[in-house]
Amino acid sequence: SQTIHQWPATLVQPVGSPLSLECTVEGTSNPNLYWYRQAAGRGLQLLFYSVGIGQISSEVPQNLSASRPQDRQFILSSKKLLLSDSGFYLCAWWASYRITEAFFGQGTRLTVV
Amino acid sequence: QKEVEQNSGPLSVPEGAIASLNCTYSDRGSQSFFWYRQYSGKSPELIMSIYSNGDKEDGRFTAQLNKASQYVSLLIRDSQPSDSATYLCAVRGEWRGSYIPTFGRGTSLIVHP
Repeated sequence: SQTIHQWPATLVQPVGSPLSLECTVEGTSNPNLYWYRQAAGRGLQLLFYSVGIGQISSEVPQNLSASRPQDRQFILSSKKLLLSDSGFYLCAWWASYRITEAFFGQGTRLTVV
Repeated sequence: QKEVEQNSGPLSVPEGAIASLNCTYSDRGSQSFFWYRQYSGKSPELIMSIYSNGDKEDGRFTAQLNKASQYVSLLIRDSQPSDSATYLCAVRGEWRGSYIPTFGRGTSLIVHP
């Protein structure tokens, strides 16, 4: 079965500091991977998705970037965090064909202070 | 721009009652539909998926899909306090050659004893 590992679970970072969140997937190959952000009381905002190594699509222009260095690894980064980057970050796996549900990592609670 | 709309709530129902959650979507080409439950501070977990018009039942949960009217709903029978959570509607359809999922903002459900 598919498993998504996401770390760290919580993170407190000062404004202007860099960020690196990592997500790895087990139990599948060539997964479609997604990064979402959820602000307090809000829905899931799609940030990036990747259909393969080195392939990144950005949905919302912002202070963040993503990379897919390996088939089962997806990294979310920032060079300089802003207060508005605070939120709950979720990595998810959706199969490439249409009829499947998403599997989510446990999420990272990021607080920028 | 694909949109998925949900009433943010909160929807408050007494224990044992039926909770009805609704979701509308803008993309007529959408092909698969999902309901997720999200407890505070946790990642979403799949409750139901539905792909064809009509009803789909699983235990206390019934998903209803009407593609002509572009809405999908979730009924929770015999609501329990443990059902108190945010319910996210997700819709998936083809976008730029991939099946990109779109989430609604979620409906907060409160089941009071």
